[in-house]
Amino acid sequence: QSALTQPPSASGSPGQSVTISCTGTSSDVGGYNYVSWYQQYSDKAPKLMIYEVTKRPSGVPDRFSGSKSGNTASLTVSGLQAEDEADYYCSSFAGSGNLVFGGGTKLTVL
Amino acid sequence: QVQLVESGGGLVKPGGSLRLSCAASGFSFIDQYMIWMRQAPGKGLEWVSFINGGGGATYYADPVKGRFTISRDNAENSLYLQMNSLRADDTAVYYCATLHYYSSRDWGQGTLVTVSS
Repeated sequence: QSALTQPPSASGSPGQSVTISCTGTSSDVGGYNYVSWYQQYSDKAPKLMIYEVTKRPSGVPDRFSGSKSGNTASLTVSGLQAEDEADYYCSSFAGSGNLVFGGGTKLTVL
Repeated sequence: QVQLVESGGGLVKPGGSLRLSCAASGFSFIDQYMIWMRQAPGKGLEWVSFINGGGGATYYADPVKGRFTISRDNAENSLYLQMNSLRADDTAVYYCATLHYYSSRDWGQGTLVTVSS
């Protein structure tokens, strides 16, 4: 199973919006509404930010939103804050008991 | 609150074995799918294996199929990962996590496995 494709880096200034893409195929992202997004600070465990494409767990700021179009899912962070600087990973169900992850995107707040 | 605590990591020689444990508390363990994920140094996240609540259904990523075995003891609220025939590319921090509709809300702190001679 090939990894999902994410840009290695993204950046924005405080207050701006930034969108991170996650491109797969019709066998994973495009075929199921089971896309998740995780935030990870250096040497820390990941934190779930978005699940089932668009849903936010309790406690996650509504500045974080998810969407999907065809085989590409996206995470948008609005009103960027310094604390949003982290690595972000997408994942998707890929059928038959398989999951697949993206390679990660390093978000820098300028 | 939910707590997941991994243990059992360490240094092992190529070809060796290691058994990881994850002690769970704060939720109904038997009702929860559980998953092992890993992250090699400086690399991205990778799923390793997951198991249903009853323990009767197990799933493995291709790189570990035939070498790793996931299991659970619901009486002890514990999750395990038996790792055999370890290779250098198995070196990673291993996390246990809950799994609900293919997303993981709760994670442990991770345990480092280093495979090196």
